[in-house]
Amino acid sequence: QKEVEQDPGPLSVPEGAIVSLNCTYSNSAFQYFMWYRQYSRKGPELLMYTYSSGNKEDGRFTAQVDKSSKYISLFIRDSQPSDSATYLCAMSGGFSGGYNKLIFGAGTRLAVHP
Amino acid sequence: NAGVTQTPKFQVLKTGQSMTLQCAQDMNHEYMSWYRQDPGMGLRLIHYSVGAGITDQGEVPNGYNVSRSTTEDFPLRLLSAAPSQTSVYFCASSGTDMNTEAFFGQGTRLTVV
Repeated sequence: QKEVEQDPGPLSVPEGAIVSLNCTYSNSAFQYFMWYRQYSRKGPELLMYTYSSGNKEDGRFTAQVDKSSKYISLFIRDSQPSDSATYLCAMSGGFSGGYNKLIFGAGTRLAVHP
Repeated sequence: NAGVTQTPKFQVLKTGQSMTLQCAQDMNHEYMSWYRQDPGMGLRLIHYSVGAGITDQGEVPNGYNVSRSTTEDFPLRLLSAAPSQTSVYFCASSGTDMNTEAFFGQGTRLTVV
């Protein structure tokens, strides 16, 4: 069983839709939770970052972490064709566990069509 | 502003050949890492370094060597290439502040035939 599970999709939605992406994990030591966006043939770019449980909002994007359920989500409101990309969740155990030792999900490919 | 630079962008190797993937960052980051990305697998950590002279293994280290002689550079060496090492390789760097993000290079697409 993988430490981080993520549905690879693909997910196809019409422009303006609300998109929900999620990951589950098994390691309770994870404290830092991230969402990366990766355009085709490019490196991943950090989209959202959350420490421990709670919500974080940035424009059209909202990240949620529920450590009790070992479940994280990314919501995209008013989705745009420019949001078409692969979205990767990533987690780490913090400084003592190696902050830069990121464990990634498989990535969900999202296509937003006009 | 270069960020993380990887070379080459593309490479084809024959089985058994060796090569070095280069990674350089100009952000004075202490942490550097190498990941490989395969379809349906996400990114998997190969090796990482927490500073010059210090390296450690990640999730999939077999067949790869690293060294960190300077803060800026973190090369990844394939000792004897195998078809199973066909992948896209990403180098990343991050600062020591836990609130800083990991910056990724553009990747090296490696094919071993």
